[in-house]
Amino acid sequence: DIVMTQAPLSVSVTPGESASISCRSSKSLLHSNGITYVYWYLQKPGKSPQLLIYRMSNLASGVPDRFSGSGSETDFTLKISRVEAEDVGIYYCGQLLENPWTFGGGTKLELK
Amino acid sequence: AVQLVESGGGLVQPKESLKISCAASGFTFSNAAMYWVRQAPGKGLEWVARIRTKPNNYATYYADSVKGRFTISRDDSKSMVYLQMDNLKTEDTAMYYCTGGVSLDYWGQGVMVTVSS
Repeated sequence: DIVMTQAPLSVSVTPGESASISCRSSKSLLHSNGITYVYWYLQKPGKSPQLLIYRMSNLASGVPDRFSGSGSETDFTLKISRVEAEDVGIYYCGQLLENPWTFGGGTKLELK
Repeated sequence: AVQLVESGGGLVQPKESLKISCAASGFTFSNAAMYWVRQAPGKGLEWVARIRTKPNNYATYYADSVKGRFTISRDDSKSMVYLQMDNLKTEDTAMYYCTGGVSLDYWGQGVMVTVSS
């Protein structure tokens, strides 16, 4: 199984500043079709997860452009610019390249 | 708007069975692969099962932790997806989310399944 490892476990950010979350996969997520199958989800407190970023760097519909995704074949970063109160929650990276699909352990974002 | 509404959760004893359902609307259900993802209390996300579309022969896939005990199915005529859970274990206690879309774009509100004696 592909293991997804996130860091840090938690991050505390002053509103208006930026935050970065890292995710590493135990195997390349770059398919021969040129697509990198890493995704980012946010679970706000008491809510269901929601898609933020698909295929490493594509912004999901309705997601503010303060969010961005980047990376290589095995190392990925979610960056949040100008953090707002509504960004609080747990962020998960996930790989949808091969079964079983797997997720990172999550990174909790809090406000200072 | 896309909606996924789960139902059928509850409290069951170990080794018992339970079937949870998900009603989908707001998108072309028959064209969408569907999934179940669960989250144990205070824990992260765990993909459980996947079912593909008719052109893909409704192929199904399962996490090793549930293979042989859980069965995912769908009824395109009703826009419904199901998860039949047999021989339940205490470690199956979790919130079960119905999800859909190529990128797990859509998520339901979840249904709680508690396995306890």
